[in-house]
This record gives sequence, structure tokens and C-alpha cells, in this order.
Amino acid sequence: KAGVTQTPRYLIKTRGQQVTLSCSPISGHRSVSWYQQTPGQGLQFLFEYFSETQRNKGNFPGRFSGRQFSNSRSEMNVSTLELGDSALYLCASSPRGQNYEQYFGPGTRLTVT
Amino acid sequence: AQTVTQSQPEMSVQEAETVTLSCTYDTSESNYYLFWYKQPPSRQMILVIRQEAYKQQNATENRFSVNFQKAAKSFSLKISDSQLGDTAMYFCAFMKHVSASGTYKYIFGTGTRLKVLA
Repeated sequence: KAGVTQTPRYLIKTRGQQVTLSCSPISGHRSVSWYQQTPGQGLQFLFEYFSETQRNKGNFPGRFSGRQFSNSRSEMNVSTLELGDSALYLCASSPRGQNYEQYFGPGTRLTVT
Repeated sequence: AQTVTQSQPEMSVQEAETVTLSCTYDTSESNYYLFWYKQPPSRQMILVIRQEAYKQQNATENRFSVNFQKAAKSFSLKISDSQLGDTAMYFCAFMKHVSASGTYKYIFGTGTRLKVLA
């Protein structure tokens, strides 16, 4: 089975712009979670989608949003980018509805200048 | 609120030796899961080992084992016969289900960077 894929792998944006990141889960996995990873904060949970519905959300501002499509692929969007949004964004998929074990993608490295 | 603490930002170990990574957590829950994830320099995070809180027996996966002390809220990872490929960032994680609908809470520690020396 192919693993979790994320596109693009690297992205450079300027302050004020918006960005969309994509995640394709492992085939058959219906749950997709997003995390922000920074050196100082570690992994911070953004949100989780299951069957096209946001099931859980972390403590991030409304500039961070996401969605999931019927094929379980997910996108996250960050609007009005700030310098502090520079991070590695990780996507993880889970094989069943109640998250138990997570399979991570390689991440998208976002740099905001 | 649940927290996960990894007090060792960096560690090193000689190849073939044993190393233990520490993790403590804080929760008032009785049912939860604990994980160790490994993130090699290539960045893809992978699961190393998992422990269900209701199980008293410590989990083991080949050279990786945990010392789960529920009362002390401690969950350390022991790597035996360390190999160069074990060089990575290791994250301890806590997870519990919030409701029957599947809502969950997943909290990671800040990580321990392990370097295995030849």
C-alpha cells in the first residue's frame, strides 16, 4: 500500500498570502489529522476529519481551516499568513474511525517571509 | 488538562548499547493510550510502540520496550542494541477518546533527539 502523501513538500510564501496544503491518506483510511510542527512547540494538533466532517479541532485561530473530500483526501488552508506560521505541517491518517494509530506523511515545509 | 513532558532534549548512545528515553504525562483519566513515535532525519514519523493504559504488561517490539508506570504516570522507552538507524527524534504521545463518536485527544511531547554514535 502506498503511504500517506503530502503536496507540495516545500513552499515559500509571503506574509498576508494564503496557502493550501494537500494530503492523501493511505487507501482505506477515513480519518485524517493535521499537525503543525515547530522546534519550540513540538507537534500541535490542528484538526481531524472523518467522513468529510471535522470531528475535532485544536487551539488554532480561524485562519487555519480544512476540509475532506469523499475520497478521504484532505486539504488545509491558512489565510493571511504570518511569519509564525512557518513550520512543518504533518498529515496523518488512521485505519479506523476512532483514532488509535496514526500513519504520518513526510510533511510540507512552509516558510513565510 | 493533559500534558506530556520529555525532559531530555538530546541524548547520545554508542552503537550496540542500551539507552532509555524518559516521558512523563499528566492526566486524570484511567483509560488512554501511550505511544512512542520516531522521526528520522528524512522527517516521516513512524510508530515505534504502543501501550494501552489498561494493560499492566509492558509493550515490547523487538529491540524496543517500554517501562509503563501508571501510578507514577511515567512511560519510558528502552532501545537495546542501538543501531545507527535509530538516530532520530523520538516523540512520546498520549491519546484518549473523548466521546463514543470517535472524538479523541492526541498530545505529543516536545521530543528527544537521539544520536547513535559509531
